[in-house]
Amino acid sequence: DVKVTQSSRYLVKRTGEKVFLECVQDMDHENMFWYRQDPGLGLRLIYFSYDVKMKEKGDIPEGYSVSREKKERFSLILESASTNQTSMYLCASSSGQGTTGELFFGEGSRLTVL
Amino acid sequence: GQNIDQPTEMTATEGAIVQINCTYQTSGFNGLFWYQQHAGEAPTFLSYNVLDGLEEKGRFSSFLSRSKGYSYLLLKELQMKDSASYLCAVLDSNYQLIWGAGTKLIIKP
Repeated sequence: DVKVTQSSRYLVKRTGEKVFLECVQDMDHENMFWYRQDPGLGLRLIYFSYDVKMKEKGDIPEGYSVSREKKERFSLILESASTNQTSMYLCASSSGQGTTGELFFGEGSRLTVL
Repeated sequence: GQNIDQPTEMTATEGAIVQINCTYQTSGFNGLFWYQQHAGEAPTFLSYNVLDGLEEKGRFSSFLSRSKGYSYLLLKELQMKDSASYLCAVLDSNYQLIWGAGTKLIIKP
């Protein structure tokens, strides 16, 4: 069974803290993505990666960075968390070129910044 | 700008049929996806349409009209477990996914 695993389901952090969200996939997929999901809005792409050591900005990269040192792992970093980063964060992966393939999502990490 | 519109919420009765519409205005088109997301869970893939017409998969069907910028997801013989949000997403000319806000479907006995 294909699987995308996110390290934490629920996190509570304070303003200014550094936050790491980890995502691991076991499908040998080339493409990995980080989205945030907020009520009343569609999924918004933060960053994506089509290969190891490669990263591209999505629609809302400000305040975030990513790391992809290994093919199976894609980390999202909030250097200095702010209250407007309180959200559900979804990691996804896919095979093939770009995003033409089906996305496999993790269960999500719900982050609250106080 | 790019835009995907879907109803915010719909209610239907167990055993009935429901149609969830999605209209889009995007810069180019390379396919349309439907995903299902149960509360607190990951979205899961339902369908992908790139050509006009109806694609059937068991109780679920998805329709696309590229000239009208329109798709719908048809769910037949509704079951309580179909209560979920249904997300429409379009792949634009740059192969970027544009997502709708999702339709929350409530099934009543």
